[in-house]
Amino acid sequence: EVQLVQSGAEVKKPGESLKISCKSSGYSFTSYWIAWVRQMPGKGLEWMGIIFPSDSDTRYSPSFQGQVTISADKSITTAYLQWSSLKASDSAMYYCARLRREWELPAGGGVFDYWGQGTLVSVSS
Amino acid sequence: DIQMTQSPSTLSASVGDRVTITCRASQSISSWLAWYQQKPGKAPNLLIYKASSLESGVPSRFSGSGSGTEFTLTISSLQPDDFATYYCQQYNTYPYTFGQGTKLEIK
Repeated sequence: EVQLVQSGAEVKKPGESLKISCKSSGYSFTSYWIAWVRQMPGKGLEWMGIIFPSDSDTRYSPSFQGQVTISADKSITTAYLQWSSLKASDSAMYYCARLRREWELPAGGGVFDYWGQGTLVSVSS
Repeated sequence: DIQMTQSPSTLSASVGDRVTITCRASQSISSWLAWYQQKPGKAPNLLIYKASSLESGVPSRFSGSGSGTEFTLTISSLQPDDFATYYCQQYNTYPYTFGQGTKLEIK
């Protein structure tokens, strides 16, 4: 059974750093891209970026480039999303998702067929 | 970025109704469009991919159509479990943007 299990909710202060995780199981971790998606309170879904754990090839949305870092550790089948200095505006639910590749598209093209349960990040002074 | 615009933003309907949600892309995305359903407090769930392909395990009352810039999601006969928010997403061009969502409410 494919599962993506995310780390628990976080409460942080502005300026603090944070790294949240997404542990995958039930499939070949190095064969699928992993995505991160943001959902701010009461708002829609935003595609942040993707990583291919096999070689750590990473693509970011321009809106998130330089704001976050996506990484993966294939030895423990875990992907990460991290911030070096949080802002209040980073308060949101963050989901990881497995990307099922569409082979007609360039690398990283596809849909999200399995999702983590979400990690709620709250940033407040 | 490609802008994805869904209409309506909110839709009130009754059990048994046939409903259609529209998604328009700001430029052609061929058939690289997906639809997701999200219930409160839960992660999204993939319903349709490549505009009209039904994801395994999704009830056949859900269907998708369209290509280029205009797409629709149709639920043929609403069931109580279908009241949720629906999002379209293009995956033709980075970044793979989502529509703003359509909330389907009970009338």
